[in-house]
Amino acid sequence: AQSVTQLGSHVSVSEGALVLLRCNYSSSVPPYLFWYVQYPNQGLQLLLKYTSAATLVKGINGFEAEFKKSETSFHLTKPSAHMSDAAEYFCAVSEPPNAGKSTFGDGTTLTVKP
Amino acid sequence: GAVVSQHPSRVICKSGTSVKIECRSLDFQATTMFWYRQFPKQSLMLMATSNEGSKATYEQGVEKDKFLINHASLTLSTLTVTSAHPEDSSFYICSARVGAEAFFGQGTRLTVV
Repeated sequence: AQSVTQLGSHVSVSEGALVLLRCNYSSSVPPYLFWYVQYPNQGLQLLLKYTSAATLVKGINGFEAEFKKSETSFHLTKPSAHMSDAAEYFCAVSEPPNAGKSTFGDGTTLTVKP
Repeated sequence: GAVVSQHPSRVICKSGTSVKIECRSLDFQATTMFWYRQFPKQSLMLMATSNEGSKATYEQGVEKDKFLINHASLTLSTLTVTSAHPEDSSFYICSARVGAEAFFGQGTRLTVV
């Protein structure tokens, strides 16, 4: 069975500061991992994905994440926060061959202070 | 990337009526689509997996007679909430599988009054 734990339901950073959103996963097979962003009353937008290629994954809007098997982690980072980054972020895991059937974490609300 | 369109984006219905939500893959064919439900300030919970030309697979605890899913074509899956009640008010989101990932629709905010 697959599961995801997002540490910290709320993260607050200053504009220009480092963003670090934590995600740990559990999977019975080598997983696929995803980070999504959701703005109020909107659907999900894929930020980046890990599907067993490079462990350091670069995504849109300057975000990146590193897959660490030994730590079962897939933390999301961005060197410099922007006001427009304020949103809800979800980490998700799926297990091949059921790719797309994802289990989501509880989400982390990112607040960016001016 | 692939585009998934969900309609309507918002709907208000009276208690006891039924409402249909459409999920379309606009520029690709999707043999498998997924329906999720999201309560306010909560995560997404998978409701069912919709397979083109066959019956949907529902997650444990989801009433299949209440949440009817039809996937009659490679580009369209529908979710019908039958005899809706206020507790069915939620944000419903669909996704379509493309290779190793899923692309999400914009969601439908259902309010039952």
